[in-house]
Amino acid sequence: GESVGLHLPTLSVQEGDNSIINCAYSNSASDYFIWYKQESGKGPQFIIDIRSNMDKRQGQRVTVLLNKTVKHLSLQIAATQPGDSAVYFCAENMNTGFQKLVFGTGTRLLVSP
Amino acid sequence: EPEVTQTPSHQVTQMGQEVILRCVPISNHLYFYWYRQILGQKVEFLVSFYNNEISEKSEIFDDQFSVERPDGSNFTLKIRSTKLEDSAMYFCASILNSNQPQHFGDGTRLSIL
Repeated sequence: GESVGLHLPTLSVQEGDNSIINCAYSNSASDYFIWYKQESGKGPQFIIDIRSNMDKRQGQRVTVLLNKTVKHLSLQIAATQPGDSAVYFCAENMNTGFQKLVFGTGTRLLVSP
Repeated sequence: EPEVTQTPSHQVTQMGQEVILRCVPISNHLYFYWYRQILGQKVEFLVSFYNNEISEKSEIFDDQFSVERPDGSNFTLKIRSTKLEDSAMYFCASILNSNQPQHFGDGTRLSIL
């Protein structure tokens, strides 16, 4: 799945660093948010999700923070590894009934060994 | 781990021809989706499908597009008369219920000549 664009924001880190990827969402009524990872030639892969009644959720090496006041999401990756290199998308659910996801533009994460 | 599978991985079609993209969602899932991603752009919602009918569609999903679940396992997207601007990656996704994150296939790259 080619999701690379000439103007895709890029975050370059060293292996072992912590990475923070940010996302601004559009709809204050969105109730569910998901971070996806997309590697070259693949579809979006689920990383972590969070509901609007929470402001933080932790997974294995990943943490998502939600700030509803400013409509901002962040994904923190601890001890970043070369295998984390990919494009990361946030998605917000715009429909509470059947789940309609609206994706952000994506951030490319490059991890150097 | 069960996964969403899509075929073909790459489809090349002449402009004006009909094309059918195929998806096998995860077997016990009930909600089905199609998204597209034009090269260099974000993932865009096309249509959601539940209980054998379309639950929501975007402005992109015009009269040239249709979806079908012909049997208990396949979910198809048909474009009746393809245009150059239909060239994109098309992703299928599914979920069991609307409180879960969508699982995506690896996509079909559609190239219209």
